[in-house]
Amino acid sequence: DTGVSQNPRHKITKRGQNVTFRCDPISEHNRLYWYRQTLGQGPEFLTYFQNEAQLEKSRLLSDRFSAERPKGSFSTLEIQRTEQGDSAMYLCASSDRFRASSGNTIYFGEGSWLTVV
Amino acid sequence: GENVEQHPSTLSVQEGDSAVIKCTYSDSASNYFPWYKQELGKRPQLIIDIRSNVGEKKDQRIAVTLNKTAKHFSLHITETQPEDSAVYFCAANTGNQFYFGTGTSLTVIP
Repeated sequence: DTGVSQNPRHKITKRGQNVTFRCDPISEHNRLYWYRQTLGQGPEFLTYFQNEAQLEKSRLLSDRFSAERPKGSFSTLEIQRTEQGDSAMYLCASSDRFRASSGNTIYFGEGSWLTVV
Repeated sequence: GENVEQHPSTLSVQEGDSAVIKCTYSDSASNYFPWYKQELGKRPQLIIDIRSNVGEKKDQRIAVTLNKTAKHFSLHITETQPEDSAVYFCAANTGNQFYFGTGTSLTVIP
C-alpha cells in the first residue's frame, strides 16, 4: 500500500492558464475525494467519486473546475482560466466505502500546491 | 448541510500538560467523527476516530469523547510532547462527504 499519490506537488502558473492535477488513490479504494485547503483553514470539500461516478459537487466548484475519474481508479482535477483566488493546496483523499470496520476512514495524499501569479 | 465548529483556534501548553480541543456539529445524521493531525506542508493524518455508537475511545495518550445529544466531540491529549505540536482538525461525516473544522494550532512548549 503506497498511499494516496498526487502530482504535481507544486505548480506555479500565470493567471488565465489551465492546470491539471492528478490523484492516484489507494489501490481498490472505491471512493475518491477532492478538497481545497488554504492557510489557516480546514479542508473544504470540492467533489467526490464512487468508482467512476461523480456523486456530489460543492457549490465552491465553479464551472472553471472539472474533475474526472474515467476508469474508477485515478482522478484528475482541472482548473481552467486560473485566478489568483485559486491559489491553495488541493488535497485528494480516498476510502474503501464497503469495509465495515474502516469504511468511513479517508486517507489523504500530500496535496498539490497551486500558486497563481 | 453540516456545520462543524472547532475551538480554540490556537492552544499553547507546557510539555507534560494536557490539551483539549472541542468541536460541535449541526447535523444529527453525522455518525463518524475523525481527528486529523497536520504538520506544516504535510498531509492530514488520521490520529483517532469515533463512531456515533460509542461515547469514548482511547489510544495511548490520545482520547476522543462524543456527546450525541449535545452534538459535540472533543480530543484529549495527555502528557503532551513537543512532537505533538501541529494543527489538528476535527471532522464529521454522514456517510458521504466530510466536513472539517477550521483547525487548532497546538504548540507544546518544552
